[in-house]
Amino acid sequence: DTEVTQTPKHLVMGMTNKKSLKCEQHMGHRAMYWYKQKAKKPPELMFVYSYEKLSINESVPSRFSPECPNSSLLNLHLHALQPEDSALYLCASSSRFSGRIDTQYFGPGTRLTVL
Amino acid sequence: GIQVEQSPPDLILQEGANSTLRCNFSDSVNNLQWFHQNPWGQLINLFYIPSGTKQNGRLSATTVATERYSLLYISSSQTTDSGVYFCAVIYGQNFVFGPGTRLSVLP
Repeated sequence: DTEVTQTPKHLVMGMTNKKSLKCEQHMGHRAMYWYKQKAKKPPELMFVYSYEKLSINESVPSRFSPECPNSSLLNLHLHALQPEDSALYLCASSSRFSGRIDTQYFGPGTRLTVL
Repeated sequence: GIQVEQSPPDLILQEGANSTLRCNFSDSVNNLQWFHQNPWGQLINLFYIPSGTKQNGRLSATTVATERYSLLYISSSQTTDSGVYFCAVIYGQNFVFGPGTRLSVLP
């Protein structure tokens, strides 16, 4: 099973709301990733977790707060977002991240709209 | 940082035609992946190909790491092949996507 699941599929939120995106994989992968993708652009890496520890934060604003409660789950907590944060948020996992990224498998994404 | 380029940016094909997509990168990379993003946004892993040639059905890919390019071949294209094709390179601790090739296959 090479499936990564993400919920919700769509999310509309106001600038004062707090919401969370969830990602789950059951492939035994120990590395998980968050990406942001704007329309007609490639995905951009936001965060990397390796063995439930934050390994990479690509200078993402603090209104995005990642969390990895266990090896199968990855959350992205959202607070005080701006309309320009509207995008497709993609989660991915790979078998390992030991200084380099292995083959990644992507979830279907959460399409976020900030009003 | 590394530069990743893809060509052509857009491609329109008639169903049944063949095509070649190209990915150039400006520095040595640890690895390279090809993805297909369907119209619903799902990124589908096509190939993990640091070097050499791989084939999967109607698709095949070749990476010549020493010359810093990779090619994706699509034969007998189908309308379900439509979408955006990305190459992504693994460069140190970074995973950098190219800008993509947008493919439309017409019935």
